[in-house]
Amino acid sequence: NAGVTQTPKFRVLKTGQSMTLLCAQDMNHEYMYWYRQDPGMGLRLIHYSVGEGTTAKGEVPDGYNVSRLKKQNFLLGLESAAPSQTSVYFCASSVSRGGLESPLHFGNGTRLTVT
Amino acid sequence: KNEVEQSPQNLTAQEGEFITINCSYSVGISALHWLQQHPGGGIVSLFMLSSGKKKHGRLIATINIQEKHSSLHITASHPRDSAVYICAVASIQGAQKLVFGQGTRLTINP
Repeated sequence: NAGVTQTPKFRVLKTGQSMTLLCAQDMNHEYMYWYRQDPGMGLRLIHYSVGEGTTAKGEVPDGYNVSRLKKQNFLLGLESAAPSQTSVYFCASSVSRGGLESPLHFGNGTRLTVT
Repeated sequence: KNEVEQSPQNLTAQEGEFITINCSYSVGISALHWLQQHPGGGIVSLFMLSSGKKKHGRLIATINIQEKHSSLHITASHPRDSAVYICAVASIQGAQKLVFGQGTRLTINP
């Protein structure tokens, strides 16, 4: 099992460009999450999904969109990248309500720089 | 004030030492997690606990719900334990939401 796979691992964007980060999990998990990690701050939830076809906003959703068309995939999109979106992005998945009922399984992260 | 506070922020120790990392939180919780993030960046879940104590190998996690405090202990520390250790709590007020601490950077020197 690969677990949770994120692509790409690194990306540099210019301000205003768009991109999509892909998260794939092969554990048949219902719940998937996108977090960002910034220096001096804890992980912050951007968006999450409780099942195929559903998405919901987390605590820092502005500037991001997500889609969960297939159960195993959770896409994070940046329509018009800004330097404030320079961060390390982590995808995670869980069997049930992640953190409340079951542990989270994380991907290896995507380091995004917006110039 | 952060809902989750970890101490110390940085810890350097010699191989073989007993390590303690602390986590205090201010909200009611249903569970607390300890995560490990290696220099390569990947995050691994170490423990999920809601009461008492759990042990896995040289790692021990304890929680005191009344005092809103948890500790992560590492016995016989080794350089490969060098990582950032992150505490996260599942707030009973927050649906689908974990609140993460800022992490403790642990360096074990040979």
